[in-house]
Amino acid sequence: KQEVTQIPAALSVPEGENLVLNCSFTDSAIYNLQWFRQDPGKGLTSLLLIQSSQREQTSGRLNASLDKSSGRSTLYIAASQPGDSATYLCAPEGGSYIPTFGRGTSLIVHP
Amino acid sequence: NAGVTQTPKFQVLKTGQSMTLQCAQDMNHEYMSWYRQDPGMGLRLIHYSVGAGITDQGEVPNGYNVSRSTTEDFPLRLLSAAPSQTSVYFCASSTGSANYGYTFGSGTRLTVV
Repeated sequence: KQEVTQIPAALSVPEGENLVLNCSFTDSAIYNLQWFRQDPGKGLTSLLLIQSSQREQTSGRLNASLDKSSGRSTLYIAASQPGDSATYLCAPEGGSYIPTFGRGTSLIVHP
Repeated sequence: NAGVTQTPKFQVLKTGQSMTLQCAQDMNHEYMSWYRQDPGMGLRLIHYSVGAGITDQGEVPNGYNVSRSTTEDFPLRLLSAAPSQTSVYFCASSTGSANYGYTFGSGTRLTVV
């Protein structure tokens, strides 16, 4: 059974800092890994998708890396802004293309 | 495109009542799944389907039934609601391929009293 751990569980930083959110998973036999953002009381918004053959993906100030063999992914957020405040969820997809979720990292960026 | 549509957005049930949470997608996705999200627990998989007529259990299937008669729809049925089923329910869909991720609905917030 896939287990997904996200560290830290919570993060509070001043605006402008560069951030690193970590995700580890126990079963490295994955097809994709997706990072999501969830605002309070809202649904999940996809941020980045990394295929198992890829090492990283970038979108604007976001960069996600994947080290499949060690079961790790990292989400980098550059020059954080208050609008980045949300919960970030990591979800590797295993053999059935069904994602398993971590508990997320709750991020607060204060002005 | 509407994406993944969930109805209702909010629901209050009494213990023992039954109801169906609706999920529909208009992207012709083969894969659909239901998750529940509880505080501090992340999202847990209830049931999933890899195509019309095919369903399977996830991590927490007890108390829920599903069926998939069409590609577009994947309803989740609560047979006899219990307070432990108070949660936020999310439906998601995907093509089920190596270069395509999941799209989520906006959720149904269910309270069982």
